[in-house]
Amino acid sequence: GENVEQHPSTLSVQEGDSAVIKCTYSDSASNYFPWYKQELGKGPQLIIDIRSNVGEKKDQRIAVTLNKTAKHFSLHITETQPEDSAVYFCAAPNQAGTALIFGKGTTLSVSS
Amino acid sequence: DSGVTQTPKHLITATGQRVTLRCSPRSGDLSVYWYQQSLDQGLQFLIQYYNGEERAKGNILERFSAQQFPDLHSELNLSSLELGDSALYFCASSVDGTGNTEAFFGQGTRLTVV
Repeated sequence: GENVEQHPSTLSVQEGDSAVIKCTYSDSASNYFPWYKQELGKGPQLIIDIRSNVGEKKDQRIAVTLNKTAKHFSLHITETQPEDSAVYFCAAPNQAGTALIFGKGTTLSVSS
Repeated sequence: DSGVTQTPKHLITATGQRVTLRCSPRSGDLSVYWYQQSLDQGLQFLIQYYNGEERAKGNILERFSAQQFPDLHSELNLSSLELGDSALYFCASSVDGTGNTEAFFGQGTRLTVV
């Protein structure tokens, strides 16, 4: 946590393609890594999270992978659909381990 | 619906004024977080409360303050408002405030300072 870098800032894909968003964090003690989806005019919504005792977690078309050695984690969306278009945020705990620090977000556009 | 309620949804006020934003956490959640979302700054952590006590501070200006009441609702007070304070303000809540559990966000309050 404390410093969370997210790439890319924008991502455009064709419907049916896969999308990958990557985040790196600075605090090696961090052990919880959620991903949020924010649609226009709404608050961020938790879509998937991963804890440091696993390397990968899947939920239907979305998956998250974690590499603790390299201090990075990624969101994978397969078979993208237009309704996947939104801003996606990664997060990790702050140094005190009490609050989430967010990356700057990735705007995903899925065109049909 | 996340279960986190924020009021008002929209607020327009003049520079120099003071406003209060309100948040009711999900039932059973003891911790409340406040975030500011500007176009170019993403989600900036402002402050966290747990069971009525301040637990962590982020990039909160001295002109801003918050509190959490015995019924666990929270208020964010913004004073001496400037044009640059225009943003979306989100409240989130979690059950234990450790930063290692799910945090659920409200729909936000859009503040416009004119």
